[in-house]
Amino acid sequence: RKEVEQDPGPFNVPEGATVAFNCTYSNSASQSFFWYRQDCRKEPKLLMSVYSSGNEDGRFTAQLNRASQYISLLIRDSKLSDSATYLCVVNVMEYGNKLVFGAGTILRVKS
Amino acid sequence: GAGVSQTPSNKVTEKGKYVELRCDPISGHTALYWYRQSLGQGPEFLIYFQGTGAADDSGLPNDRFFAVRPEGSVSTLKIQRTERGDSAVYLCASSFAAGGQYTQYFGPGTRLTVL
Repeated sequence: RKEVEQDPGPFNVPEGATVAFNCTYSNSASQSFFWYRQDCRKEPKLLMSVYSSGNEDGRFTAQLNRASQYISLLIRDSKLSDSATYLCVVNVMEYGNKLVFGAGTILRVKS
Repeated sequence: GAGVSQTPSNKVTEKGKYVELRCDPISGHTALYWYRQSLGQGPEFLIYFQGTGAADDSGLPNDRFFAVRPEGSVSTLKIQRTERGDSAVYLCASSFAAGGQYTQYFGPGTRLTVL
């Protein structure tokens, strides 16, 4: 079983739609959680950190459920420019400082 | 300011050859990481440096892979006797310090193709 699992998609949505991605992680010792965005043939870039209380950044909302070991990302009012691969990422204390990435969820926003 | 830079951006080599991939971290960042990303997968950790020393090399797949950071800044990932399975994008990242609370900033990667 992979340490971080995501639905690979692709999610094909129209502009203006709301879309949600989910991610599960297997190690209960995971302590930090992130969503990274990766455009085609580019490097991953931090989209947002995920906190236990949930957090919002503009059209993006991230939630963490430690009991279920589940992370979500909600994108409201999708834009064409949101098309990318969204990587769910965890940091596990016992693993030191390395990040453990999911395989990513592909989002395609169409006009 | 300048981000993480990596050279070369693309490297094509033949099976059995030796390659070196270079990473220049963001100035002032003490932690440096190497990851490898295969098509359709997320990046996988290879090795992490805190200063000049390799603090965690548990992700290196075998002894053909080696990395150095002699002066605590630039790092070189070295691959001996390359195999076709080594073909991937090699990503370098740096952070201000070690710890999950510090954002890791990624370079554009080196796309390695082993023929």
